[in-house]
Amino acid sequence: DAKTTQPNSMESNEEEPVHLPCNHSTISGTDYIHWYRQLPSQGPEYVIHGLTSNVNNRMASLAIAEDRKSSTLILHRATLRDAAVYYCILRGITISNFGNEKLTFGTGTRLTIIP
Amino acid sequence: DAMVIQNPRYQVTQFGKPVTLSCSQTLNHNVMYWYQQKSSQAPKLLFHYYDKDFNNEADTPDNFQSRRPNTSFCFLDIRSPGLGDAAMYLCATSSPVTQETQYFGPGTRLLVL
Repeated sequence: DAKTTQPNSMESNEEEPVHLPCNHSTISGTDYIHWYRQLPSQGPEYVIHGLTSNVNNRMASLAIAEDRKSSTLILHRATLRDAAVYYCILRGITISNFGNEKLTFGTGTRLTIIP
Repeated sequence: DAMVIQNPRYQVTQFGKPVTLSCSQTLNHNVMYWYQQKSSQAPKLLFHYYDKDFNNEADTPDNFQSRRPNTSFCFLDIRSPGLGDAAMYLCATSSPVTQETQYFGPGTRLLVL
């Protein structure tokens, strides 16, 4: 799987939007962009994923650059419960590995929310 | 409502004494994974099962074994734990139906004395 680069840490004020960047300049055409987060003392939790178009769900939005070499996870209104490590992961799905997905976690971004 | 369950949440073992960690799931997913997460590091995949097919990562030490007696349960066996095996062990599941999403349990934190 291709590599991703994220800032080690970020801070944001409560109730403000948060933009978490991820660079993936070696992304291939079949790589999906996944985001997971890990709250303190818990297992990782799926947030969102996309391929080319921007994606929205109840947790967040994912903005994908036109050349797909970078993406941004957007939390529209951060709360204290959003304090976590956020992982950006590329997943290349092929016929041979379909159903055998594995996640290769990078170092992630530790998000701190300031009350 | 729990989906991926790991017991116990905390496990203490002695250096060299075999230990087994348990994972169960109520999702009926085909795939079950074991990850190791050391302090301040990202999770690292040890191995996974697709149904009964076992897939070991190339750099997983032989000291780590796994069993999956049925769809719902998966076990991680550490034959001779060393101090370096102290970590959080995470179980996860997925299915082709879930479209690549993995569901993680809360983890078991292993302490080796």
